[in-house]
Parts: sequence; C-alpha cells; structure tokens
Amino acid sequence: DADVTQTPRNRITKTGKRIMLECSQTKGHDRMYWYRQDPGLGLRLIYYSFDVKDINKGEISDGYSVSRQAQAKFSLSLESAIPNQTALYFCATSKVGNQPQHFGDGTRLSIL
Amino acid sequence: GEDVEQSLFLSVREGDSSVINCTYTDSSSTYLYWYKQEPGAGLQLLTYIFSNMDMKQDQRLTVLLNKKDKHLSLRIADTQTGDSAIYFCAESPRTGGYNKLIFGAGTRLAVHP
Repeated sequence: DADVTQTPRNRITKTGKRIMLECSQTKGHDRMYWYRQDPGLGLRLIYYSFDVKDINKGEISDGYSVSRQAQAKFSLSLESAIPNQTALYFCATSKVGNQPQHFGDGTRLSIL
Repeated sequence: GEDVEQSLFLSVREGDSSVINCTYTDSSSTYLYWYKQEPGAGLQLLTYIFSNMDMKQDQRLTVLLNKKDKHLSLRIADTQTGDSAIYFCAESPRTGGYNKLIFGAGTRLAVHP
C-alpha cells in the first residue's frame, strides 16, 4: 500500500541545483521524519517534525532544510546540492509516543 | 554513546533457519525493532519487542532479547527465497525522546537452493 508516498522516486541533477523531495502520508500520523541511507551505514536522521509547527534537527542536518506544510506533508530541500549528498532518502511517519515508524519507498538522488 | 552493530552478510540454504544478530548500546531503549528492506523498496516493519520481554514470536519470526548483554536476535524459521533482503536492527533511545531511531548498517540475507 502507499500510505507514505515519496516523490520523485528517482532524480539525477547537477551540483549547485536546488532540489526538493516530497513526502505525503494518509496514515493520519502526527510525526514525520527524513532519513538518508548510504551503503554500509544504515539510515541516519536528517530532520523530524512532531506537528505542523514543530521542526527538529537530526544528526546530519547540515546542507538540508525542511518544511511541514500540513499534517500530511513534509518536504526536504537541498538548497545547493553537492555530490556527497548522493544517497537514498526515506520519509517515515509515526503516531505520537513511543511508536514504530513506517517508511515510504524512498527517493534515489544522484548529484553529478 | 549510541551505536547498533550487525554482521553485514549471512548466507543460508532454503528451508534452514536464519539467525541475524544485533548488539546495541543504549539501555534506555524501550523498544527494539527489526525492519526488512527488499531491493528497490522502502523499509518494512517486521516486528518489534518491548524491553521488558525476553522473547516474541510471530509466525516464522522469533525475536530474542538479552537486555543484560544488549543483544537482540531475529530467527527466521524455514527460510525461503522471498526472505532474501537486508535486515536492519534499530533502537529507540530515551535521549531522542524515543523518537530517534538508531539503525545498524543492515545484514544482507542471501537464501540459496
């Protein structure tokens, strides 16, 4: 099912370009997250949001920004993309409290 | 500190049991998770265990937790080719308000005939 939808699924772009990755969810969850996955490193948290007015930095937020436009939408921006931001990016959602996170299918981003 | 470690690769014969191991460092984690990632797909929540439990069984999956040693394992009985994937262990430490998942690097499970 597509409860957590990420667009685009794949993107190739050039160094210095501004990129926006979108995430939308129909799960009704308040909390949303952005992660990046690099080979051999697992997933690392970029930003997270507990509700529309709340934005928090994760462990690797430098070079990224986010916007929580609505409860169901959380976008990730790279203001000036660089090649070491080439990675697989995942959006996730969860209910309030100590609850499991549910992931989208990912966006594969390549920066040349 | 926060760290989750897993072996990177496991190969098993179809029909055998697979055991994927994980060690974590933060004893404040109340839940520990196993996620599965198939090629080209996102992470699918497989199962999770509360820290006051030693074992959880769900059909072919058995999770064992040794809280003293901070060791978590996932056993897959009667492993099938469809189980071939990368399996991630994750903890949710209190320092992140339990919302910050710390992932291992993932164990690639290869199932052969």
